[in-house]
Amino acid sequence: QSALTQPRAVSGSPGQSVTISCTGTSSDVGRYNFVSWYQHHPGKAPTLIIYDVTKRPSGVPDRFSGSKSGNTASLSISGLQSDDEADYSCCSYADSAWVFGGGTKLTVL
Amino acid sequence: QVQLQESGPGLVRPSETLALSCSVSDDSISSSRYYWAWIRQTPGKGLELIGTIYKGGSTYYISSLRSRITISVATSRRQFYLRLDSVTAADTAVYYCARRVGIYYFDYWGQGTLVTVSS
Repeated sequence: QSALTQPRAVSGSPGQSVTISCTGTSSDVGRYNFVSWYQHHPGKAPTLIIYDVTKRPSGVPDRFSGSKSGNTASLSISGLQSDDEADYSCCSYADSAWVFGGGTKLTVL
Repeated sequence: QVQLQESGPGLVRPSETLALSCSVSDDSISSSRYYWAWIRQTPGKGLELIGTIYKGGSTYYISSLRSRITISVATSRRQFYLRLDSVTAADTAVYYCARRVGIYYFDYWGQGTLVTVSS
């Protein structure tokens, strides 16, 4: 399984919105609604912020939202805050395997 | 909430064995809801799930490591383990342990531990 494709970096100013894409194939993102997103601050444990494409775990602000169209999933973050500056990775189930994206570094300007 | 913590040597010599432990803070390691995973991130690259284990001992390994990897679990100790034989520099990575909910997603992760393969 090839890794999912994410932009290496995105940026936005406080209060703005950003969207991070995650492109796979018809064997992973396109076939299953098992896309999840993880936020990772360096030196800390990654945290789950979106699962099953659109669902938010308890405690994750509704500023974070997920969607999917065809073979591409997206993570949107509205009302950017300084603490949102982190790495974000997507993951998809893919026929008894799991593939991750290469990660996207979000910079809050 | 559950906490996971990796432990093990940070430096391993080429051709030797990498051995890590993951301690789980609660009894969810005995639950039939969860799988227990090892995920690594090599320098400059994305995350890679390298294997999982279920409480009954059934395992999944990625094909590229299948001849070298062993994951085991000790539910009474609330720990699971990674063993990777005959390591090379390509195995240098941050290794994370994580809990997976069914086939769906990884809901809790450890902080990760950097393992460097070097002489």
